[in-house]
Amino acid sequence: DQQVKQNSPSLSVQEGRISILNCDYTNSMFDYFLWYKKYPAEGPTFLISISSIKDKNEDGRFTVFLNKSAKHLSLHIVPSQPGDSAVYFCAARRMDSSYKLIFGSGTRLLVRP
Amino acid sequence: DVKVTQSSRYLVKRTGEKVFLECVQDMDHENMFWYRQDPGLGLRLIYFSYDVKMKEKGDIPEGYSVSREKKERFSLILESASTNQTSMYLCASDALAGHNEQFFGPGTRLTVL
Repeated sequence: DQQVKQNSPSLSVQEGRISILNCDYTNSMFDYFLWYKKYPAEGPTFLISISSIKDKNEDGRFTVFLNKSAKHLSLHIVPSQPGDSAVYFCAARRMDSSYKLIFGSGTRLLVRP
Repeated sequence: DVKVTQSSRYLVKRTGEKVFLECVQDMDHENMFWYRQDPGLGLRLIYFSYDVKMKEKGDIPEGYSVSREKKERFSLILESASTNQTSMYLCASDALAGHNEQFFGPGTRLTVL
């Protein structure tokens, strides 16, 4: 029973264009969402987060959008760069279980030069 | 510069062996976590600890145990390794209060033959 789903295992975009990575969740108790980026042979690194009281958070080229009614969040990368090529995981935290993160299965992004 | 270190990057063990994976963090974080990452499944929580000598089962604790004798160190133990425990193991830590990102170590690629 996957509570956090990333339905696209891979995505390929041209350098300079927008990358949009999607994530769906089923549990309405989630109140905080995070995106992590992972390069091969390295641990995931935190990228950006959003609280459920917001619908948008922006940090440089990265923007996360949250649609609570649809239980959907997305990560936009504009403009995409070859160095963005990595696996991206979305994660969610429950308001009643602040220790635990529930991760999606990841989307592999390839940015073509 | 925050750091989570793991004792080995690559490990090869035989079925039935006892395996110890060590994790150390230098951020004085209360919470520490052990995940495994498998293709198509994302990161799944094995165990976590919110204080010295305290531990709680995650989503897939079977076949594993943990030890936290000091705040900075969290060990994952495979009592009798099996081939289905071949995986990437990731340690993480975060601070106790509020919405905090988890910091990850570089991972240990364990192969059980």
